[in-house]
Amino acid sequence: DGGITQSPKYLFRKEGQNVTLSCEQNLNHDAMYWYRQDPGQGLRLIYYSQIVNDFQKGDIAEGYSVSREKKESFPLTVTSAQKNPTAFYLCATHREGTEAFFGQGTRLTVV
Amino acid sequence: AQSVAQPEDQVNVAEGNPLTVKCTYSVSGNPYLFWYVQYPNRGLQFLLKYITGDNLVKGSYGFEAEFNKSQTSFHLKKPSALVSDSALYFCAVSLPWGGANNLFFGTGTRLTVIP
Repeated sequence: DGGITQSPKYLFRKEGQNVTLSCEQNLNHDAMYWYRQDPGQGLRLIYYSQIVNDFQKGDIAEGYSVSREKKESFPLTVTSAQKNPTAFYLCATHREGTEAFFGQGTRLTVV
Repeated sequence: AQSVAQPEDQVNVAEGNPLTVKCTYSVSGNPYLFWYVQYPNRGLQFLLKYITGDNLVKGSYGFEAEFNKSQTSFHLKKPSALVSDSALYFCAVSLPWGGANNLFFGTGTRLTVIP
């Protein structure tokens, strides 16, 4: 059953702590994306990757880091440098000429 | 610069009435066009797409969209709105070239269908 899986669904972070959000896909898509969504707002691009071992900053990369060691996986780390991390995070995959596929999202809350 | 515009943050429509959610784009070349829907605390779900061919495309849940090249628009429509259509709708374009980010989203339009 092809798709994209994000985990966990809910995540709580303490001040000064790094946390990692998982994104796994079995669609064999080259491109993967991370977006941040604040309440009632649109999507803001954090990072994207077109191929393994290569990724590019999006519009709001500060305080975030990613890796792309495998085609299937594109984890996002929210570092302590991100001062306002509470948001809904969405991972997506895309192949040219087709629609993008989204995970179900991770809601991150600072406690 | 590539951009997608959804000029209305909010659209309200009475149940049973036709609905339109607007989208215009400014990109180079011939883009692929998409509509997505998002329900609370969920990821975006694909509704429909235009790649080539007939300017009127039909998608999921009775939605359709009309591609207008001269106006660079791709408005989402439905003949008769349901309360369950209330959600956040996103227009998107992708460009047929790789090597860099080629996927762009509008800012979203919140549709409220009033019973």
